[in-house]
Parts: sequence; C-alpha cells; structure tokens
Amino acid sequence: QVQLMESGGGVVQPGRSLRLSCVASGFTFSNYAMHWVRQAPGKGLEWVAVIWFDGSNKYYADSVKGRLTISRDNSKNTVYLQMISLRVEDTAVYYCARDLPSGTNLMGWQFDPWGQGTLVTVSS
Amino acid sequence: QSALTQPASVSGSPGQSITISCTGTSSDVGSFNLVSWYQQYPGKAPKPLIYEVSKRPSGVSNRFSGSKSGNTASLTISGLQAEDEADYYCCSYAGGSSMVFGGGTKLTVL
Repeated sequence: QVQLMESGGGVVQPGRSLRLSCVASGFTFSNYAMHWVRQAPGKGLEWVAVIWFDGSNKYYADSVKGRLTISRDNSKNTVYLQMISLRVEDTAVYYCARDLPSGTNLMGWQFDPWGQGTLVTVSS
Repeated sequence: QSALTQPASVSGSPGQSITISCTGTSSDVGSFNLVSWYQQYPGKAPKPLIYEVSKRPSGVSNRFSGSKSGNTASLTISGLQAEDEADYYCCSYAGGSSMVFGGGTKLTVL
C-alpha cells in the first residue's frame, strides 16, 4: 500500500542544522510532487514546501524561505528537507505528504496520503 | 499569506449534523476549487476527508461532505458519531504556488 515514512527528527540547538528524510513506497514516486507540512506543539498545520515530481520547481512558505530547502532523489524514492539556522519556532512535527493531482493537472495542491511525522525540537 | 478562518470549536450530539466553515479570500478559497479537508486525532497524522471542495477519497464515509460558496468553504458531518470527535482542518491553494491552512476546529461529540 502507499506509505510515507519520515525520519531524521530530534533535538537540536538553535542555529544548528538538520536534514529530514521521507521514504515513499507503494507508488511510482517519480510521478508525484511532494510536500512538507509542519505542526508546532498544540498548534495547527502549516504548509512548508513543495517540490515538483521531477525536482524542477520548488516553492516555500515565506516563514521558511532561505532556511529550509526541499529536494528529492527519485532513484531512492526519497524527499528531503534540509533545515539550517534553526530557530525555537521551528519546533514542530514535520510531515511529508504526497500531492494529489487534480484532473489532468499534475499539481493538485492537496495532500494524500501523509506520513506519520517526525518531531524536531529546537532548544538550547 | 493569512490563515483561513475556522471556528475554534463546534459540538453536536450523536445523530445530529454539524457544519464547519472555512473562510478565506478572493485570492484563495474564492479563486480556486482546490479546497481540501483533513481530520486529525491527537498524536496522529492528518487523514484526507475531502478534496477539490466536495470529492471524497475512497474509503471516506459519505457522512462527510464539502461545499463552497464565494470565499467560504464548508465541511458537513451528518449522523454524528462519537468517533468523529477530532480536529478538522481546511486547506486551500492560495495562488503563487503557495498553500494556506485554516487554524483548525475541535469537534466535540456530546
């Protein structure tokens, strides 16, 4: 079945870096755009970034531009989120999610399915 | 990009119907039929409920339905059940290759 499995979370000091990974299985990974969405403790969901199916386009939320970088390796069925200059406010569960295409459009800007999430805690 | 506006909480009794609103602007909800809804239990990943305003993924109960009028989208849950108690989030494409979520609504089944 379709599965997404995140890893790489942990506790990190402010200003440090971390790379999250999300391994996909059960579908042709290279056919789908992929998103990262985060959720701070006790808060709502926040869209973070998207990468096109072939990696040709990447877009970010204003709150993370310049500090978070999304990438993918289609040979490994994996999408990454490189995070630098981490801040306390980056503390959250980070979910990867597959984009759900809309009709004949390759991009649907909706998420199905989601991974189980990985917790990133930024604290001194 | 400002978050979409959802009521912080709604409640209903078993068997009743409830509606959760999701208000955006003419730049997001009002411009695109790319509104989706997600259900989330505490400590769990969100689960897709509705996509493209009113379509249900395979396996989602037909008690869940979505609609949109102008800048406001709505999720209706009919025949409320105890298992529906969860948080619900709306989401919309916001143009310019960005997306925006609602703040979330906590549903309590009385």
